[in-house]
Amino acid sequence: QQQVKQSPQSLIVQKGGISIINCAYENTAFDYFPWYQQFPGKGPALLIAIRPDVSEKKEGRFTISFNKSAKQFSLHIMDSQPGDSATYFCAARKTGANNLFFGTGTRLTVIP
Amino acid sequence: ETGVTQTPRHLVMGMTNKKSLKCEQHLGHNAMYWYKQSAKKPLELMFVYSLEERVENNSVPSRFSPECPNSSHLFLHLHTLQPEDSALYLCASSQEGTRQYEQYFGPGTRLTVT
Repeated sequence: QQQVKQSPQSLIVQKGGISIINCAYENTAFDYFPWYQQFPGKGPALLIAIRPDVSEKKEGRFTISFNKSAKQFSLHIMDSQPGDSATYFCAARKTGANNLFFGTGTRLTVIP
Repeated sequence: ETGVTQTPRHLVMGMTNKKSLKCEQHLGHNAMYWYKQSAKKPLELMFVYSLEERVENNSVPSRFSPECPNSSHLFLHLHTLQPEDSALYLCASSQEGTRQYEQYFGPGTRLTVT
């Protein structure tokens, strides 16, 4: 059973537009929700993360929105740039656990 | 070297071969992980080592055998693999404690089993 469901599988956005990727989870024991960015030939790199006690976190052009009651969180990339073209993974961690549960990834393409 | 390094970057092996993947972290972390990344699937956690002790093994087939000789090095020994084991194998590290969730990944080893 997939612990974290991610959509869409792929996304094409015009340069300057807003990219939105959504994730949903069921397990209320999750207490940390990171997003990772992966370029071809590279490992995933931590982009931004949020805890369930806040509803939004912003770092530069990247924003996480968190809806605890709906058990959903999303990544918004403002003013999307071609250099943002990559695969994005959401993830979640249970309290006290070592491992992260990852979504299936979203391949983002930003066209000039 | 900085961050997390993995060797080799690419590996092609037959089903009867024995090979090993190597991971080294230069971040002073004390926890290390092996993940398997297959197309259109979530990253699958295979093994976790914390303070050089294996703390998690997510029901991985015995043809995969991890080794963690010290906090900086992690190996994945492979033998009699199957074609479905072809994937990108990622190593990650983190620091035990309040920021344990920040896992840093290496570039991966692309494994092809023929």
